[in-house]
Amino acid sequence: GQNIDQPTEMTATEGAIVQINCTYQTSGFNGLFWYQQHAGEAPTFLSYNVLDGLEEKGRFSSFLSRSKGYSYLLLKELQMKDSASYLCAARSSGNTGKLIFGQGTTLQVKP
Amino acid sequence: DVKVTQSSRYLVKRTGEKVFLECVQDMDHENMFWYRQDPGLGLRLIYFSYDVKMKEKGDIPEGYSVSREKKERFSLILESASTNQTSMYLCASRAGTSGNTIYFGEGSWLTVV
Repeated sequence: GQNIDQPTEMTATEGAIVQINCTYQTSGFNGLFWYQQHAGEAPTFLSYNVLDGLEEKGRFSSFLSRSKGYSYLLLKELQMKDSASYLCAARSSGNTGKLIFGQGTTLQVKP
Repeated sequence: DVKVTQSSRYLVKRTGEKVFLECVQDMDHENMFWYRQDPGLGLRLIYFSYDVKMKEKGDIPEGYSVSREKKERFSLILESASTNQTSMYLCASRAGTSGNTIYFGEGSWLTVV
């Protein structure tokens, strides 16, 4: 079957580091995406991993282990504006390569 | 910048009405998608289209149909709206099968009463 699992909620302090984990099972695999979604808004693209390892983009980094079906999103130097939902999505292989989303992790950043 | 535009941001419809949700993208993308998003369930794929007049069912197609007559436009149709279709509907597009990024529209909040 196809399944994406991530924690429902997390809380962290401004200035700290937080890691949001995601495990996935898909029929074929063609990449792992992270999106950020503020309340009432559309998801916006954060990162994409297709090979094992860490991809760094400013304060945000994303890691992938294909053998373990595991990814994480690392947010450093947290800011209040980082309070949002973070969606993990895995892309299946094949010509159409549809994106399967997890439920999302709601991150609350406190002062 | 890629722009995905959904025609209606907020709609209220009555049970049994036919509802059209329109989506237009301006980047000549081959792939277009319709998702719905519900609390605790995340984004679920309703239908997707990988080319004009081509469509495939997603995970929850029941009660919905789609139309893709032109490359830039992908319409979601609720033939007879029901209260359990009250949700936020998100349209998205992506460049071909090698394109990485999927771009979302702003979402359409549909309430069926």
